Amino acid sequence: DIQMTQSPSSLSASVGDRVSITCRASQSVSPWLAWYQQKPGKAPKVLIYKASSLESGVPSRFSGSGSGTEFTLTISSLQPDDFATYSCQQYNSYPKTFGQGTKVEIK
Amino acid sequence: EVQLLESGGGLVQPGGSLRLSCAASGFTFSGYGMTWVRQAPGQGLEWVSAITGSGGSSYHADSVRGRFTISRDNSKNTLYLQMNSLRVEDTALYYCAKDDAPGGGYYDYWGQGTLVTVSS
Repeated sequence: DIQMTQSPSSLSASVGDRVSITCRASQSVSPWLAWYQQKPGKAPKVLIYKASSLESGVPSRFSGSGSGTEFTLTISSLQPDDFATYSCQQYNSYPKTFGQGTKVEIK
Repeated sequence: EVQLLESGGGLVQPGGSLRLSCAASGFTFSGYGMTWVRQAPGQGLEWVSAITGSGGSSYHADSVRGRFTISRDNSKNTLYLQMNSLRVEDTALYYCAKDDAPGGGYYDYWGQGTLVTVSS
């Protein structure tokens, strides 16, 4: 199975900050990497697919980059609505494993 | 509008069984693979089981293989997860999710989840 490791596990940031979250895979999954946002009590929502493609309706302040085994989700200017948990997922092969999540909190 | 509505969760004793259902609408159900993902209290997302649109192929995580079975009834637009020999560590919110494309991929729609609690 492919292991997905996110860093950091949590971070504190202020509105307007630029935030980056890293996801590392135990083997290449390029380009089959998605990023999800999840708020408390809600289902996950996809933000980025195929490593860098923005899902329809997702604000352009979200972007994804990377290839091979290392990927990054960047929020260019953190907004109040962005405080949530972010998870990566590889869909290169079964089982389609998730990272453990990164909680973005208000500083 | 795509809708996924899970049901069937509840409290069950260790060793017991439950069957979860996910009623789908708003898309051609038989054309898309479907997946169950779970989330234990305060924990991250865990991929559980997936099935192709036709139902001809299915996949399970090691943690549930041999105990859980995913299936679908395309005539009823419904996905199922039969869970046997339940363990305390199976306690979680179970989501069903739809593949983004017929060939499989990431998950573009999710249900709101159904809670399974395994406890004596």
